Amino acid sequence: KNQVEQSPQSLIILEGKNCTLQCNYTVSPFSNLRWYKQDTGRGPVSLTIMTFSENTKSNGRYTATLDADTKQSSLHITASQLSDSASYICVVSVDDYKLSFGAGTTVTVRA
Amino acid sequence: GAGVSQSPSNKVTEKGKDVELRCDPISGHTALYWYRQSLGQGLEFLIYFQGNSAPDKSGLPSDRFSAERTGGSVSTLTIQRTQQEDSAVYLCASSLLALNTGELFFGEGSRLTVL
Repeated sequence: KNQVEQSPQSLIILEGKNCTLQCNYTVSPFSNLRWYKQDTGRGPVSLTIMTFSENTKSNGRYTATLDADTKQSSLHITASQLSDSASYICVVSVDDYKLSFGAGTTVTVRA
Repeated sequence: GAGVSQSPSNKVTEKGKDVELRCDPISGHTALYWYRQSLGQGLEFLIYFQGNSAPDKSGLPSDRFSAERTGGSVSTLTIQRTQQEDSAVYLCASSLLALNTGELFFGEGSRLTVL
C-alpha cells in the first residue's frame, strides 16, 4: 500500500476558481513534505517544502498546509489559471535520500 | 549546466534490445537519483548516487537494470534485454544537499517505449 495517498485523482475547474487537493500519508517519521507540479511531458517542479513544524507555506497562488498530528496536507490553488493545468504530486521525505511519492492529482482548468 | 539534462527524450525500442539513458545533473550536485514513472503511478525510486558510489540500489527492479556514474557527474541507466513492462518515463534528479533539507531538481525525463 502506498504510504502517500492523494485525492481526488483528478478534477476539472473553471478558470478563476479555487480548488484544494488533499494528501494523507502514513510515513513516520518524516523530515519534510513537498508539493510538486508536473506539466504533461515535463519533469516535476517544486512548489513548496514544509518541515513537520510548519503549518503553512505559500508560493504565489499556491498555499500548502500541513497537520502533522493527523498526517494530512492540502494544496490550495487560488484564482486558477489555464497554466495551472498539470499533475500535482505530494511527496514525503523519509530520510536523507529517500522520498515517498503520491500518485498525483490531475487538475484541468477550463476557460 | 543550468538544469538537469536527460537524453534521449524519447526512445522506442524492440523487446530484447538494450537501451542506455543518460543524465547530466546540475553542476556541483553530488547526489543523483533515478526514478521510474508509469502511467497513473507515483514515482518509483530506482537508485541513488552520492558522488560516484551508489549506497542504495534497492529500487532496481531486476538484474537487467544497472546504473553508473563517472566523475561525480554524468550518470547512465542501462536496461538490458528490454521487456514491454519496462515502458515508462525514467526521471533523473539531483540535489546539492540531503533530501531532509535540500531541494530536488528533476530533468524532463526519458520516455521509453518497448514494442
